[in-house]
Amino acid sequence: KAGVTQTPRYLIKTRGQQVTLSCSPISGHRSVSWYQQTPGQGLQFLFEYFSETQRNKGNFPGRFSGRQFSNSRSEMNVSTLELGDSALYLCASSPLGGVESSQYFGPGTRLTVL
Amino acid sequence: AQSVTQLDSQVPVFEEAPVELRCNYSSSVSVYLFWYVQYPNQGLQLLLKYLSGSTLVKGINGFEAEFNKSQTSFHLRKPSVHISDTAEYFCAVSGYSGNTPLVFGKGTRLSVIA
Repeated sequence: KAGVTQTPRYLIKTRGQQVTLSCSPISGHRSVSWYQQTPGQGLQFLFEYFSETQRNKGNFPGRFSGRQFSNSRSEMNVSTLELGDSALYLCASSPLGGVESSQYFGPGTRLTVL
Repeated sequence: AQSVTQLDSQVPVFEEAPVELRCNYSSSVSVYLFWYVQYPNQGLQLLLKYLSGSTLVKGINGFEAEFNKSQTSFHLRKPSVHISDTAEYFCAVSGYSGNTPLVFGKGTRLSVIA
């Protein structure tokens, strides 16, 4: 089975722009979660989608949004980028969601905001 | 709410020596506990998890962890490390109730020295 794929792997944007990141989960997985990883804050949960519905949301401003499509692929959008949004964005998929169901992580998208 | 403290940010150890990576958690409810590993330029990989039952959990790559409820700890151990174990290790916790997302520690950088 193919693993979780994330595109693009690297991205450079300037302040004020917006960006869309994509995540394709493992085939058959219905839950997709997004995390932000920075040296200062570590790994922080952004949101989880299950069957196209946002099931959980972390403590991030409204500039961060996401969605999930009927094929379980997910996109994450960040509008009005700030320097502090520079981070590794990780996507994880699991069969049923919830932490009892093991999450499988993708390699991440490295976003640099200049 | 849950929180995780990884007591050591860096742990250097010689090859074939034993290692223990320490993790303490805080929670007002019962928890699930996890250890993940992140190799350079890669996403996270699940090493092991504690959901219930035996407090000694065995994972992949020869790692094991012991859940100690009275000390609110979940330390990760390996009796003999290899150069290939050099990576960042993350402890994570989630509460039982509902779809509580994972809360990660800041990570411990394990460096195995030849």
